[in-house]
Amino acid sequence: DGGITQSPKYLFRKEGQNVTLSCEQNLNHDAMYWYRQDPGQGLRLIYYSQIVNDFQKGDIAEGYSVSREKKESFPLTVTSAQKNPTAFYLCASSRSGTGSHEQYFGPGTRLTVT
Amino acid sequence: KQEVTQIPAALSVPEGENLVLNCSFTDSAIYNLQWFRQDPGKGLTSLLLIQSSQREQTSGRLNASLDKSSGRSTLYIAASQPGDSATYLCAVENQAGTALIFGKGTTLSVSS
Repeated sequence: DGGITQSPKYLFRKEGQNVTLSCEQNLNHDAMYWYRQDPGQGLRLIYYSQIVNDFQKGDIAEGYSVSREKKESFPLTVTSAQKNPTAFYLCASSRSGTGSHEQYFGPGTRLTVT
Repeated sequence: KQEVTQIPAALSVPEGENLVLNCSFTDSAIYNLQWFRQDPGKGLTSLLLIQSSQREQTSGRLNASLDKSSGRSTLYIAASQPGDSATYLCAVENQAGTALIFGKGTTLSVSS
């Protein structure tokens, strides 16, 4: 089955530690995205990548880093510089190129930092 | 800057009712508009995608319309069921950008 997997589903970390969230897709999509969701707020874009070895900052990139070494994988690292890291993190993918493309989402990772 | 607003924020209806969820956006230069469903603690499930050149899309009991000139979309749910209880999110893909811009969602509760 084609889809997007995120692991782990729940993640707990101590303040000051970096943590990496996994996102893998087998849809053969070029574009991948990371969003953050907080209670009562819409999803906000952290980073996106249109092609391997290239990525761009979204609206709230501070305190986060990404890599795109493979088409299928787009891991997100939450660094100790992120002031409020506790949130629900969602990864998505879509076809790339100019024009309209439907986005597909993974099941999410809930990160709790204490 | 594109802004997406969803009204109402929450809605409670008895089973069997037809209902309408509203979405508005400030910049009409969009590629498409997507409606998603999100169950508590879960990821997003795409319900309907309306291209900017289209007026509406239908899937089963769901019908979504798009009026780009007025910056509005509606999601119509016919004969609501308790299983429809979820948060419904509207998102637009800007022509100027590459990612989706989301509204805050409408949380629907359908009672049996």
